[in-house]
Amino acid sequence: EAAVTQSPRSKVAVTGGKVTLSCHQTNNHDYMYWYRQDTGHGLRLIHYSYVADSTEKGDIPDGYKASRPSQENFSLILELASLSQTAVYFCASSDLDSHTEVFFGKGTRLTVV
Amino acid sequence: GDSVTQTEGQVALSEEDFLTIHCNYSASGYPALFWYVQYPGEGPQFLFRASRDKEKGSSRGFEATYDKGTTSFHLRKASVQESDSAVYYCALGEAGYQNFYFGKGTSLTVIP
Repeated sequence: EAAVTQSPRSKVAVTGGKVTLSCHQTNNHDYMYWYRQDTGHGLRLIHYSYVADSTEKGDIPDGYKASRPSQENFSLILELASLSQTAVYFCASSDLDSHTEVFFGKGTRLTVV
Repeated sequence: GDSVTQTEGQVALSEEDFLTIHCNYSASGYPALFWYVQYPGEGPQFLFRASRDKEKGSSRGFEATYDKGTTSFHLRKASVQESDSAVYYCALGEAGYQNFYFGKGTSLTVIP
């Protein structure tokens, strides 16, 4: 079965600190995504990638970087974490193009204090 | 730009009630439309999709019909159960654009 695994599942970070969220997929999918979920805003796209060693900005990329070192792995990096980045983050993968299903991980709850 | 609007933020129903969650979209092209469901502590899960006008998608008793004329994809279920309590997301994806646009989600609570 298709699988997207995120780590850690929860994290408390200090304001100004660096945070790295990791994602691993075993779906053999080309596309990977990082979404942020906030109450009242639903799911918003931060970064995505369709090939290793390349990433693209989504709708809310400010304050975030992404890295895709291989087809299976996709990281989200917060160089200087801020209070406003407290949220639940979801990694996802999909095949080919946007007419196909997206598979989500279970999410990472990030709290910045 | 593309967008999805879900009218209801929260819906509370009794078991066996009829469910409608409204979804309207705005897109420059001819998108595919999706419904996802999210249970507590989990990521969203694909429910079903429709790719062309008048196509009906369905799964687990839920259904929605792609209506290009009214730019809508409303989710319906004839008789909800307590186990249907979850957050439901409408989404669209356009071919050639490697992105999905999600609505803000509708939280459904079914009271036994």
